[in-house]
Amino acid sequence: DAGVIQSPRHEVTEMGQEVTLRCKPISGHNSLFWYRQTMMRGLELLIYFNNNVPIDDSGMPEDRFSAKMPNASFSTLKIQPSEPRDSAVYFCASSFGVPDTQYFGPGTRLTVL
Amino acid sequence: QKEVEQDPGPLSVPEGAIVSLNCTYSNSAFQYFMWYRQYSRKGPELLMYTYSSGNKEDGRFTAQVDKSSKYISLFIRDSQPSDSATYLCAMIRGQGAQKLVFGQGTRLTINP
Repeated sequence: DAGVIQSPRHEVTEMGQEVTLRCKPISGHNSLFWYRQTMMRGLELLIYFNNNVPIDDSGMPEDRFSAKMPNASFSTLKIQPSEPRDSAVYFCASSFGVPDTQYFGPGTRLTVL
Repeated sequence: QKEVEQDPGPLSVPEGAIVSLNCTYSNSAFQYFMWYRQYSRKGPELLMYTYSSGNKEDGRFTAQVDKSSKYISLFIRDSQPSDSATYLCAMIRGQGAQKLVFGQGTRLTINP
């Protein structure tokens, strides 16, 4: 099993640019989660999907952030426009079953200059 | 106040020592308790999970939950340099719930 796949692994962009992060969950998993990790705030849940439907987006910091899951094997997290305070590691995780055993991807390290 | 509190450390111990990592929480609705291990520049990986109060052992690792005190622990026996990582506790409210709440993580170093 390939595990959760994220791309790109590293992204450096300038303030104001659009950033798109991609995730392929583990095949057969029906829930997908987007997290952000920083030294100051730790690991924060941004949004999660169940069966491709957004269930809870209360962690999305502001309207500049959006996430989609067009099918069971792909999700995107978009930041437009990006700001330096968005610099963080963004993780995607997927799960199936109860309790919620989430499997994390390797993360995307985003730097906004 | 955060729902889950975890001392970020860092914690440094000699090889072979017993390590104790802890979290406290404020919401009595939490029922499932998990420990994740995160190596540098990697995603967190599930180490152990327990349901409600009690102990669970897996090799050198033991997880304890005391719901009356809202306190959970992870013990590592015969610690190895390969155990050096950040350990995050996480909790979930119950069956059907999917939103994990993580602690800040404790950075652990095992010195050879």
